Amino acid sequence: DSGVTQTPKHLITATGQRVTLRCSPRSGDLSVYWYQQSLDQGLQFLIHYYNGEERAKGNILERFSAQQFPDLHSELNLSSLELGDSALYFCASSVAWGLGVNTEAFFGQGTRLTVV
Amino acid sequence: AQKVTQAQTEISVVEKEDVTLDCVYETRDTTYYLFWYKQPPSGELVFLIRRNSFDEQNEISGRYSWNFQKSTSSFNFTITASQVVDSAVYFCALSSSYKLIFGSGTRLLVRP
Repeated sequence: DSGVTQTPKHLITATGQRVTLRCSPRSGDLSVYWYQQSLDQGLQFLIHYYNGEERAKGNILERFSAQQFPDLHSELNLSSLELGDSALYFCASSVAWGLGVNTEAFFGQGTRLTVV
Repeated sequence: AQKVTQAQTEISVVEKEDVTLDCVYETRDTTYYLFWYKQPPSGELVFLIRRNSFDEQNEISGRYSWNFQKSTSSFNFTITASQVVDSAVYFCALSSSYKLIFGSGTRLLVRP
C-alpha cells in the first residue's frame, strides 16, 4: 500500500457528463501529481500541485481542471466527457516540490474511467 | 526534449529464468533521476527504485538488480530466478524536476 488513496476505483459515465476524481496524498506529502494512462498515449503527466498551488501543467485538456485543498487532498474534474477520455487516472504524491535525490513519487491505485 | 525508450514490448520467460528489461533514455540535463515502476495486473503503479545521475553504482535488492550506464544512457533492470508473481508491466521513467517521463512499458509474462 503506497499510502495514496484514490476514489472511486471505477467510474462509468456517459458522454457529455462531468465527473470528479479524488486523491488523498500520503501523510506529510505536499506535492500531488495527476497522470493519465491510456492505451494509445501511455502514461502522460497532466498537472502538478504543491501545497495548494498549481505548479505545472502537462498535456491536460481545457475540459479538465484540478485543485488541491488546504488539507492537501486533490480533485481532478473532467467535463464534457468524450469516449476518448476513457483511461486510468493516477494520482501520485511526494514530500517535496519535485523529484530529486531522496524523493520519489508514490502512486495511488488509480481510477478507471469508462465513458460510454 | 526528454525521452524514455523501452524497446521490448513483451517478454515471456519460464519461471526461474533470468530476464533483463532494457531502458534507454535521452536528456540534455546533467542532473536527472531514473525510476522503475511495476504495474501488476491489479493496476496500481508500484515504485521499485530511484537512481541519481551522479551515482552510477549498480544496485541489487534481492532478486532485482539495476545496471546504470551513463555512457550508453541506459538503466536496465534484471530479475534473477523469475517467479510467476513477477508478471507485470514494468515502466522506466526519467525526471529532472517534478515530472516523470515514462517509457511505453515492457509486459513481462512469467510462465510456470
